[in-house]
Amino acid sequence: GENVEQHPSTLSVQEGDSAVIKCTYSDSASNYFPWYKQELGKRPQLIIDIRSNVGEKKDQRIAVTLNKTAKHFSLHITETQPEDSAVYFCAARSTDKLIFGTGTRLQVFP
Amino acid sequence: EAGVVQSPRYKIIEKKQPVAFWCNPISGHNTLYWYRQNLGQGPELLIRYENEEAVDDSQLPKDRFSAERLKGVDSTLKIQPAELGDSAVYLCASSLGSQRSYGYTFGSGTRLTVV
Repeated sequence: GENVEQHPSTLSVQEGDSAVIKCTYSDSASNYFPWYKQELGKRPQLIIDIRSNVGEKKDQRIAVTLNKTAKHFSLHITETQPEDSAVYFCAARSTDKLIFGTGTRLQVFP
Repeated sequence: EAGVVQSPRYKIIEKKQPVAFWCNPISGHNTLYWYRQNLGQGPELLIRYENEEAVDDSQLPKDRFSAERLKGVDSTLKIQPAELGDSAVYLCASSLGSQRSYGYTFGSGTRLTVV
């Protein structure tokens, strides 16, 4: 089955700096890769997603890139703000279900 | 739109007791998922429904866990009897369908503590 690895597990940045979170997946048939943001005690919320026929997608300060050959995808957050602090999960869709990474705790210091 | 509604929000029970969680998905969402999220980890799928049919329950510990979605809308997840290791957040999610690349919408979850 699909296996999704995510790193780093924790990431601390200064406000205004960029943050990059990377994930790798094992199933070459996976075709959909969403990213979720989860604040403490709250539900995971979809922030951006990318399909396998696209290499890059951007939404304001957030971008996701996908390298199908290498089977890895990344989340890029530019001009980070304290409210970006949360746990971020990547996921890959394989056989009609999402397999999640283990999460990255992002802390943005003012 | 109300979103995915789950109840209760929190539950504390003694081990060996039964517990049930309820989920109401977004209207029109045919696919419903139950995930378990342990502290500091990503959600792990327990069961997936397409309408009222459980099409993937391979990760559901069937000796103590059961689920149902009788009319293809609301769903309940039950644990009987609960064990200490069942303490986690149980998340329900729904989507328009699993055959295509639809995003999931998660509910707020039920935080279960077994003492």
